[in-house]
Amino acid sequence: EVQLVQSGAEVKKPGESLKISCKGSGYSFTSYWIGWVRQMPGKGLEWMGIIYPGDSDTRYSPSFQGQVTISADKSISTAYLQWSSLKASDTAMYYCARRGSLRAEGFDPWGQGTLVTVSS
Amino acid sequence: IQLTQSPSFLSASVGDRVTITCRASQGISSYLAWYQQKPGKAPKLLIYAASTLQSGVPSRFSGSGSGTEFTLTISSLQPEDFATYYCQQLNSYPFGGGTKVEIK
Repeated sequence: EVQLVQSGAEVKKPGESLKISCKGSGYSFTSYWIGWVRQMPGKGLEWMGIIYPGDSDTRYSPSFQGQVTISADKSISTAYLQWSSLKASDTAMYYCARRGSLRAEGFDPWGQGTLVTVSS
Repeated sequence: IQLTQSPSFLSASVGDRVTITCRASQGISSYLAWYQQKPGKAPKLLIYAASTLQSGVPSRFSGSGSGTEFTLTISSLQPEDFATYYCQQLNSYPFGGGTKVEIK
């Protein structure tokens, strides 16, 4: 079974750093793009960026460029999303999702989500 | 390229035929997907390449369109279909604003 399992919920203070993870299993991790999506409380889905674990080629949405870093460790089939200095406005649910082998195939499956709460 | 979904909210009854529209600011060929999201759950892929039904998705869901205008149709709304639906452009991956389908 193809599966993405994300790390657990986090509570952080403004200014702190954070790295959340997304572990793939049941498929060749290096052969599929992994994307990250933000969902702020009560709001819609926002595209953040995407990485190809095979060569770490990474693309960011202009809205998130410079705000977060996406990376991957193919030795442990895990993608990451990290912040160097969190803000209260980073409070959201974050999802990872695997893109199909072809661009037109969409994203499936999705991880269960990681809730990040940033509060003083 | 931006995506505009309409309506943002719709109220419907079980058995109704429901249509949601997604318009792209520029032509995107058939590079569009539709997702369903229920409260507290991750999105679920319904349709990709504008009109291809994802494996395991009921046939009452269908997608159509190409270029700049796309539709998601639910032929006979079931109780489990009350959710929020999003379109996604598959070139640079932005999402539409979502359509919440609620029980009338």
